Amino acid sequence: GAGVSQSPSNKVTEKGKDVELRCDPISGHTALYWYRQRLGQGLEFLIYFQGNSAPDKSGLPSDRFSAERTGESVSTLTIQRTQQEDSAVYLCASSPRSGGTHPPEAFFGQGTRLTVV
Amino acid sequence: EDQVTQSPEALRLQEGESSSLNCSYTVSGLRGLFWYRQDPGKGPEFLFTLYSAGEEKEKERLKATLTKKESFLHITAPKPEDSATYLCAVQAGSGYSTLTFGKGTMLLVSP
Repeated sequence: GAGVSQSPSNKVTEKGKDVELRCDPISGHTALYWYRQRLGQGLEFLIYFQGNSAPDKSGLPSDRFSAERTGESVSTLTIQRTQQEDSAVYLCASSPRSGGTHPPEAFFGQGTRLTVV
Repeated sequence: EDQVTQSPEALRLQEGESSSLNCSYTVSGLRGLFWYRQDPGKGPEFLFTLYSAGEEKEKERLKATLTKKESFLHITAPKPEDSATYLCAVQAGSGYSTLTFGKGTMLLVSP
């Protein structure tokens, strides 16, 4: 596709249920990021994948959160035993491999709005 | 720890009233500073990347500048369609690294 695709666009789940959010990056992009944006707040870093390197998981808020990525393709963010404070928009971004010293820009998807009731 | 602070939090302008948004940063080894625009219910849309102090980039009514401590996003003669939240992010350190975002400036341009 032409851009980063995220699904579903909206998800309502009951407290305690597990959810999976999907991100399809731009083809050929080696880097993939997950961010969380709570209502009226800035972007909060969750996890970063770069090619076949070990992911940077330093932003995951608890062990209920995990993410996987196979190679340079699709990524899934899983939240187990959802809580009301997990309600937010989850944004995915991808960027190409840098050809030099300058980091390339990241392109974002439209996000998944998660509501935990 | 990398820090990015944007000001003001919100800005209301009349159509045609030029102004500037500020992004100050504290990082170790800036590799790039990014400006994004975010409309309600949408993902951030890339605007500019600045790599070194003194660099400037322009796009329509927007101009981004960079110093060693901060970046400005100048908006000249804004129109209502420029209303959005403007986000600043930095990428720092060696090798590949994450983007650290500020909280954004919400801009409202009234006709």
